[in-house]
Amino acid sequence: SQKIEQNSEALNIQEGKTATLTCNYTNYSPAYLQWYRQDPGRGPVFLLLIRENEKEKRKERLKVTFDTTLKQSLFHITASQPADSATYLCALANQGGKLIFGQGTELSVKP
Amino acid sequence: DAGVIQSPRHEVTEMGQEVTLRCKPISGHNSLFWYRQTMMRGLELLIYFNNNVPIDDSGMPEDRFSAKMPNASFSTLKIQPSEPRDSAVYFCASSPGTSEYTDTQYFGPGTRLTVL
Repeated sequence: SQKIEQNSEALNIQEGKTATLTCNYTNYSPAYLQWYRQDPGRGPVFLLLIRENEKEKRKERLKVTFDTTLKQSLFHITASQPADSATYLCALANQGGKLIFGQGTELSVKP
Repeated sequence: DAGVIQSPRHEVTEMGQEVTLRCKPISGHNSLFWYRQTMMRGLELLIYFNNNVPIDDSGMPEDRFSAKMPNASFSTLKIQPSEPRDSAVYFCASSPGTSEYTDTQYFGPGTRLTVL
């Protein structure tokens, strides 16, 4: 069956370091992948979209990679700040298919 | 822009009661989605509307759940009768899109439902 896996354990890092979150998938051939941020008590907020023919996408301090051979996406936050603390969700879909979300990884950035 | 608006924000009800959740999408958006989020199952798509028409309701758990979109600015998700296992946070999201899922989805603040 189709499966999306994100780090189940919370990621704790020091302010200023680079946070790297992973999203692995199996039995899936996604046309694109999205990353969302979710704060407690709030709905997810879209961050980045990367398509299957793109290797890397950047937006300010955020970088996403997409390796369809490894069936993996990496999400990087450089120069992390305490305000980056949140849960980050990856979501995949086939072309014209519905979005399937991972369970999310909780990131905590300590000052 | 006010974003996606959901009401109520919190709902506590007893098993067997009818529950109605409401959503107002962002003006001009053509697609509307209802999701359910729990610790065990994460974020699950329940139903998707495009231009007020239900396109995919394969995620609706059972006949106790129903959703309507009578016009472009309003949608409801109804649970009748409610059960304790329906306790979750229910999100509504909208996107500008046509028939594709590739558009960015804008989520509302959610309704936290507790069924006793």
